[in-house]
Amino acid sequence: NAGVMQNPRHLVRRRGQEARLRCSPVKGHSHVYWYRQLPEEGLKFMVYLQKENIIDESGMPKERFSAEFPKEGPSILRIQQVVRGDSAAYFCASSPPTGQRLGTQYFGPGTRLTVL
Amino acid sequence: EDKVVQSPLSLVVHEGDTVTLNCSYEVTNFRSLLWYKQEKKAPTFLFMLTSSGIEKKSGRLSSILDKKELFSILNITATQTGDSAVYLCAVGWGSGNTGKLIFGQGTTLQVKP
Repeated sequence: NAGVMQNPRHLVRRRGQEARLRCSPVKGHSHVYWYRQLPEEGLKFMVYLQKENIIDESGMPKERFSAEFPKEGPSILRIQQVVRGDSAAYFCASSPPTGQRLGTQYFGPGTRLTVL
Repeated sequence: EDKVVQSPLSLVVHEGDTVTLNCSYEVTNFRSLLWYKQEKKAPTFLFMLTSSGIEKKSGRLSSILDKKELFSILNITATQTGDSAVYLCAVGWGSGNTGKLIFGQGTTLQVKP
């Protein structure tokens, strides 16, 4: 049973370009979460999605950032017009559908974004 | 403001020592507390705690939650060099159907041979 997969593992972009980060959850998991880890800081929640729905995006910056989890295919975190401050590790996590509102979240290896 | 605070921030011990990592929280609508181990890759799930006073164990690791005093500890006995990592504490919170976690800043553990 494969774990959470993220690609690319490393991504380099120049200021103003777009970054697309992909996340494939554990098979059978229908909940996806994105977190950002800035240098020397802890993981910060960005967005929580279920298939075709954004459930909670309270941690997403208001501009340039968007996320989706289509019916088919991986979840995508998109950052438009990247700036140096976007350089960070972006982690995706998934959890199974459970009777509880919060299931255990399993993390992917992360995508390390560097903006030149 | 909701927050999770871990202590110490870093710790250096020798193989065979026992360590205790601390996590305190101030979170509205607490749901659960989770511990993860992060090496140079994905945070690896260790424990999920929802009830006070019930110890969870996995090999040399154990953890307990105190919901009255709002803290949790993670114990590692007979430490090994492979235990060197950043240990993350996270609290699941919020109302409605949301599953977000608030993370502490982590405790960096170094185990020397």
